[in-house]
Amino acid sequence: AQKITQTQPGMFVQEKEAVTLDCTYDTSDPSYGLFWYKQPSSGEMIFLIYQGSYDQQNATEGRYSLNFQKARKSANLVISASQLGDSAMYFCAMREPTGSARQLTFGSGTQLTVLP
Amino acid sequence: SQTIHQWPATLVQPVGSPLSLECTVEGTSNPNLYWYRQAAGRGLQLLFYSVGIGQISSEVPQNLSASRPQDRQFILSSKKLLLSDSSFYLCAWRATGPGGTNEQFFGPGTRLTVL
Repeated sequence: AQKITQTQPGMFVQEKEAVTLDCTYDTSDPSYGLFWYKQPSSGEMIFLIYQGSYDQQNATEGRYSLNFQKARKSANLVISASQLGDSAMYFCAMREPTGSARQLTFGSGTQLTVLP
Repeated sequence: SQTIHQWPATLVQPVGSPLSLECTVEGTSNPNLYWYRQAAGRGLQLLFYSVGIGQISSEVPQNLSASRPQDRQFILSSKKLLLSDSSFYLCAWRATGPGGTNEQFFGPGTRLTVL
């Protein structure tokens, strides 16, 4: 069963505007971790932000924030004040249970294009 | 600071030839190490992970194998490549122990084309 769902294969946003990238997940474990990675055309995966299932507050890292809605099992990434350099593929990922050595399960990704 | 290296960056190999991709991590000890594969325009698929020297867990059965001969070295191999092995291969590491973190950090990747 698919555990991470990203329903937006492609998104466009105007430079300096905010954009939300959707991510929903499915798990029966109460302890899990949610991640967002950015993959520019060079191919390298760049870690952006992390949210633990027990974290009380939504994670924020600079212009990135994670809108964590536990009851709805969603972990949307919000990028504020988009920049041209934000154009990339964005992946949502989950690890369960938190702290395990096991893999991250990745979504299919969202291609974000920032327009000048 | 920690860094992760992968080589080669690109590789073109004939069908049936062997493969060896190397990944090394600097600046950390006893990391968890991972090999992922990414088909064009798709998400990442975990191939192998390792929690220590000589300890390899396989997630997807196929003609690839992995080895960890040293603490910070992870090798992806194949005895005979298939056309379907053409992909983008990414190595990643995760810190363990008291300074451990949740996120995995990725190398620059190897783009493999099998002809």
